[in-house]
Amino acid sequence: KAGVTQTPRYLIKTRGQQVTLSCSPISGHRSVSWYQQTPGQGLQFLFEYFSETQRNKGNFPGRFSGRQFSNSRSEMNVSTLELGDSALYLCASSLRRDRAGANVLTFGAGSRLTVL
Amino acid sequence: GEDVEQSLFLSVREGDSSVINCTYTDSSSTYLYWYKQEPGAGLQLLTYIFSNMDMKQDQRLTVLLNKKDKHLSLRIADTQTGDSAIYFCAEGFGNEKLTFGTGTRLTIIP
Repeated sequence: KAGVTQTPRYLIKTRGQQVTLSCSPISGHRSVSWYQQTPGQGLQFLFEYFSETQRNKGNFPGRFSGRQFSNSRSEMNVSTLELGDSALYLCASSLRRDRAGANVLTFGAGSRLTVL
Repeated sequence: GEDVEQSLFLSVREGDSSVINCTYTDSSSTYLYWYKQEPGAGLQLLTYIFSNMDMKQDQRLTVLLNKKDKHLSLRIADTQTGDSAIYFCAEGFGNEKLTFGTGTRLTIIP
């Protein structure tokens, strides 16, 4: 069973540019969550998508957006990049079948973004 | 509010037990999780515990939960060099988003 695949693994951008990151969840998983990991702030929740709808959103500015497609693949976009956006962006998928059950997330290896 | 705290560093001799501690603030959390992150990789789920349990054991891993004090710990028995990693605890309510701790970097001393 293939794991969560994130592309690209590494990328370098300059301030003011925009970036799109992609995440393919485990087959059968309908929920995709995105997290930003930085040395200073740790793991911060960005948003979660389920059945093409955003179900949860973290405390990030509107420059951060995402979407989910009918095949459950997800993309996140960051516009007008700032130096502080340099981070490891992690995608995680889950079945999200039962609201009362544990939220078992399977993470991808991440996309490391460097903003110069 | 949600806040999860961990010590940043822990060093343990190979073969000893490692105990990683975590405190959380959200009393409505129903599940507590432990994840492991190795260099250059994403997070890997190690185990999780339901909030009405006190302990869960899985091979070398033992999770203890003190719900009254909002304290969670992960004990790794017979620590090996392959256990070197960053360990994150996380809390969540049902199927909602997880809130992660700062992570504890575990270093194994030969």
